[in-house]
Amino acid sequence: AQSVTQLDSHVSVSEGTPVLLRCNYSSSYSPSLFWYVQHPNKGLQLLLKYTSAATLVKGINGFEAEFKKSETSFHLTKPSAHMSDAAEYFCVVSDRRGKLIFGQGTELSVKP
Amino acid sequence: ETGVTQTPRHLVMGMTNKKSLKCEQHLGHNAMYWYKQSAKKPLELMFVYSLEERVENNSVPSRFSPECPNSSHLFLHLHTLQPEDSALYLCASSQDYGAGAPYEQYFGPGTRLTVT
Repeated sequence: AQSVTQLDSHVSVSEGTPVLLRCNYSSSYSPSLFWYVQHPNKGLQLLLKYTSAATLVKGINGFEAEFKKSETSFHLTKPSAHMSDAAEYFCVVSDRRGKLIFGQGTELSVKP
Repeated sequence: ETGVTQTPRHLVMGMTNKKSLKCEQHLGHNAMYWYKQSAKKPLELMFVYSLEERVENNSVPSRFSPECPNSSHLFLHLHTLQPEDSALYLCASSQDYGAGAPYEQYFGPGTRLTVT
């Protein structure tokens, strides 16, 4: 069975500093992984996805994630945080039918 | 209208009421989903429809009744709900479900449901 674990429930950074949101996965086969973002009172928006092509995946709004099989990790990074990045972020793994399994979420706060 | 829309955005209902949530997708997708998002819990998949046929039911109580009259519309009929059913209900769609997965899912803004 697949699962994801987001290692931090809350991350706080200052504007202009790097962002790191951590995610570990468990999968019995080569996984498909996603990061989604949810701004307050909004639905979820896809940031990026990994489907066994390049291990470094670039997404929208300057985010990227690196798939590391040896560490079973798929951490989300951004070089410089912006106030508009404050939101909840979800690491997600897909099973072979397309069913998405969500992590608990990480709330990102950005201080001015 | 583009993407996935949901109505109403907010709903307050008593435990004896009957109400329905509506979802519409304008993306030409074949699969639609209902999720429940409660505070402090991961998103829970409730139902999956593929080509208007229910293909997944994640042990959801019968007081939640989905309906998919065509590939663009999805409803969630609610009756005799409990206060613990208060949550954000999200609808999503994807190109397909099953063979050829994974498919990106596109989410609506959700309906905030409060059961009193």
